[in-house]
Amino acid sequence: QKEVEQNSGPLSVPEGAIASLNCTYSDRGSQSFFWYRQYSGKSPELIMSIYSNGDKEDGRFTAQLNKASQYVSLLIRDSQPSDSATYLCAVTSNTDKLIFGTGTRLQVFP
Amino acid sequence: EPEVTQTPSHQVTQMGQEVILRCVPISNHLYFYWYRQILGQKVEFLVSFYNNEISEKSEIFDDQFSVERPDGSNFTLKIRSTKLEDSAMYFCASQTGHNQPQHFGDGTRLSIL
Repeated sequence: QKEVEQNSGPLSVPEGAIASLNCTYSDRGSQSFFWYRQYSGKSPELIMSIYSNGDKEDGRFTAQLNKASQYVSLLIRDSQPSDSATYLCAVTSNTDKLIFGTGTRLQVFP
Repeated sequence: EPEVTQTPSHQVTQMGQEVILRCVPISNHLYFYWYRQILGQKVEFLVSFYNNEISEKSEIFDDQFSVERPDGSNFTLKIRSTKLEDSAMYFCASQTGHNQPQHFGDGTRLSIL
């Protein structure tokens, strides 16, 4: 059974701080890695995609992938209260279906 | 920016009735998906669809479920005889090609009474 694991949280950070969200996956053959943001009662919204080892930056967001450790993370710099949401890690293996983790709830307090 | 659109936003149905959930994927996308999310649980894959046929389905997607792309734009999920445990948010997603990000619609909340 291919699994994606995330700490459910909540992760509480003060406004302006860096939030660090982590995810591990079980299938060593996983190919594509995505971070989605989901506000309560809403649909997943794509934040970042990453395909190769290393860092990928987009604005305040940085995704980090380490395939040897089967680990992917998301850093959010200068966290804002509007970043408060559940962050979903999703992975694909040999097919394009997304395998989601349970998500980490992030709370950014003023 | 192009969006995946889903209708209805909320569907309430009696147990045993048939429901059809509708999706209009982004126009140049070639791969289509249905996922569901039971309240408080993770998003789960149901089915993928490419080139007018199912490419993969999960264990959840049993004989009560079917998908169709009846014309060039709509993509539908039918549940033939709904059960209480089918109550969930159903999300449609589409992508341009293999390994590309999937974009999700706003979802249909299905409530089975």
